[in-house]
Amino acid sequence: EDQVTQSPEALRLQEGESSSLNCSYTVSGLRGLFWYRQDPGKGPEFLFTLYSAGEEKEKERLKATLTKKESFLHITAPKPEDSATYLCAVPHADTGRRALTFGSGTRLQVQP
Amino acid sequence: NAGVTQTPKFQVLKTGQSMTLQCAQDMNHNSMYWYRQDPGMGLRLIYYSASEGTTDKGEVPNGYNVSRLNKREFSLRLESAAPSQTSVYFCASSAGVLQNYGYTFGSGTRLTVV
Repeated sequence: EDQVTQSPEALRLQEGESSSLNCSYTVSGLRGLFWYRQDPGKGPEFLFTLYSAGEEKEKERLKATLTKKESFLHITAPKPEDSATYLCAVPHADTGRRALTFGSGTRLQVQP
Repeated sequence: NAGVTQTPKFQVLKTGQSMTLQCAQDMNHNSMYWYRQDPGMGLRLIYYSASEGTTDKGEVPNGYNVSRLNKREFSLRLESAAPSQTSVYFCASSAGVLQNYGYTFGSGTRLTVV
């Protein structure tokens, strides 16, 4: 059964303190791993898609990486505006890969 | 450039009442989805429509029905609301889920059932 697990549930950082968020997946035949950012009271917004082990993508202070079992979202020198919940997702086999299944998210708080 | 529009944004229902959540997209996307989001549970798929004229159950379909009215609109109906359906509901659309950007989400409907 396809599963997506994110850790930690919550993370508090000081401004400038780099760290990583983890997304572990159990999927037969990965067809893409998606990262989204969600601000309070809003819908998730797309960040990255990764398709194969070894792939990396960057956007400002964020870098996403992918291995055969997990993905990391690295945050370098974060700022308070990076505070949000970060979600990862994969196309789920039970839907014929036609819909995404999401992890429960990591709630990131960056303090000035 | 509206993207995905959900109405209403907030709603309070009494147990047993019915209501329909509306969702419309203006991106000519083929696929549309309804999720609910509860604290600590993440986003869970209720129903989806891979293309106009088709709908399929997701992970948590009980107590809900959907209608893909046309390519733009996908509605979610609660026939007899229960307190367990208190949640934030998100509609999303995609050209196809395996496309590079996955989904575009609406801003959500916060539903409270008392």
